Amino acid sequence: DAKTTQPNSMESNEEEPVHLPCNHSTISGTDYIHWYRQLPSQGPEYVIHGLTSNVNNRMASLAIAEDRKSSTLILHRATLRDAAVYYCILHSSNDYKLSFGAGTTVTVRA
Amino acid sequence: NAGVTQTPKFQVLKTGQSMTLQCAQDMNHNSMYWYRQDPGMGLRLIYYSASEGTTDKGEVPNGYNVSRLNKREFSLRLESAAPSQTSVYFCASSVRGLETQYFGPGTRLLVL
Repeated sequence: DAKTTQPNSMESNEEEPVHLPCNHSTISGTDYIHWYRQLPSQGPEYVIHGLTSNVNNRMASLAIAEDRKSSTLILHRATLRDAAVYYCILHSSNDYKLSFGAGTTVTVRA
Repeated sequence: NAGVTQTPKFQVLKTGQSMTLQCAQDMNHNSMYWYRQDPGMGLRLIYYSASEGTTDKGEVPNGYNVSRLNKREFSLRLESAAPSQTSVYFCASSVRGLETQYFGPGTRLLVL
């Protein structure tokens, strides 16, 4: 499995943007970049995914490097409800499982 | 829609006891999954069912069995619980395999 590397933790102030980096230097051509988050005592929740182009949805934006070896999840205006563990996952087109690493714990200060 | 529901929410077992964790989804999804999450770690896939009538092993299947009862329901059975199976268990579903997965709220299991 291709692996991802994320910082253990990040802090942000409420209403400010949060940029969460993810390195995936061994990504293959069939790997999609997925982001999930897990709020305290809840199951993971899908955030966004992409293959090559940058993606936007109501929750976040995903910026993918041209060589696809890294990506950044952008939360445009952090709220207290965004405090969670964020997982960057490579999801291969021929693999059913999602391989969750340790993720990045995001803390949002009021 | 309730999404993915799991029962029970919390369970305490003694070593050697058996139990079945229930999962149901009302989104008409074809694929369903069971994961476990140990403290401070990410989720690991136990078993999955790509479609009704099929099941396959994931990363950590030992000590577990599954049944895809119908399209809606996917149960996980511990035949003889061990303390190493103390964990939080999450069920998930997706329209088809390889697509976005939707997770239930989890079952917290403590094996003494």
